[in-house]
Amino acid sequence: RKEVEQDPGPFNVPEGATVAFNCTYSNSASQSFFWYRQDCRKEPKLLMSVYSSGNEDGRFTAQLNRASQYISLLIRDSKLSDSATYLCVVNSRAGSYQLTFGKGTKLSVIP
Amino acid sequence: GAVVSQHPSWVICKSGTSVKIECRSLDFQATTMFWYRQFPKQSLMLMATSNEGSKATYEQGVEKDKFLINHASLTLSTLTVTSAHPEDSSFYICSARGGPLNSPLHFGNGTRLTVT
Repeated sequence: RKEVEQDPGPFNVPEGATVAFNCTYSNSASQSFFWYRQDCRKEPKLLMSVYSSGNEDGRFTAQLNRASQYISLLIRDSKLSDSATYLCVVNSRAGSYQLTFGKGTKLSVIP
Repeated sequence: GAVVSQHPSWVICKSGTSVKIECRSLDFQATTMFWYRQFPKQSLMLMATSNEGSKATYEQGVEKDKFLINHASLTLSTLTVTSAHPEDSSFYICSARGGPLNSPLHFGNGTRLTVT
């Protein structure tokens, strides 16, 4: 099993749609979790951290299920500017600064 | 917020030459920086962990003699691709953490290397 696994995508959705991304991780000792977005030919940028209680930032909601080792990202009311690749990122090595990246899921929001 | 600066943004070089990429933490000290590589349509792959004042830790399959890392100060790490070949053409990104272990990484803007 891969350390961090994401929906393969791509997701093509109309403007205004709600879209959900899923991610699973293999190391039960993982401590911190993040969603990054990466635009084409650019560096990843932090979208949001994921907390155990779940957290929301505007149209974006992140959830963590430690028992199932599962992370999700929900985007409501999709905008054209949301088109990007969304990376699930996990600190999979306890006591380490190192992060492991999922392969990413590409989202295209269509007018 | 924490800012990481990477230079150059892009470079084109001839096969056999060496290329140095700099990564700086602008408003924080980073004892540890990370170097990633990303090929088209692939995920970010960690190449090595750069530790200030000591040797870098390389991931399996990454040649330490080819990808030289120097982390001479708390704000600067460099990656030198030695004797570059076309297969080294890729997007190289550095990152650093501006806080404790559970804080997110901040990335440099990346260096697109093309070896002809």
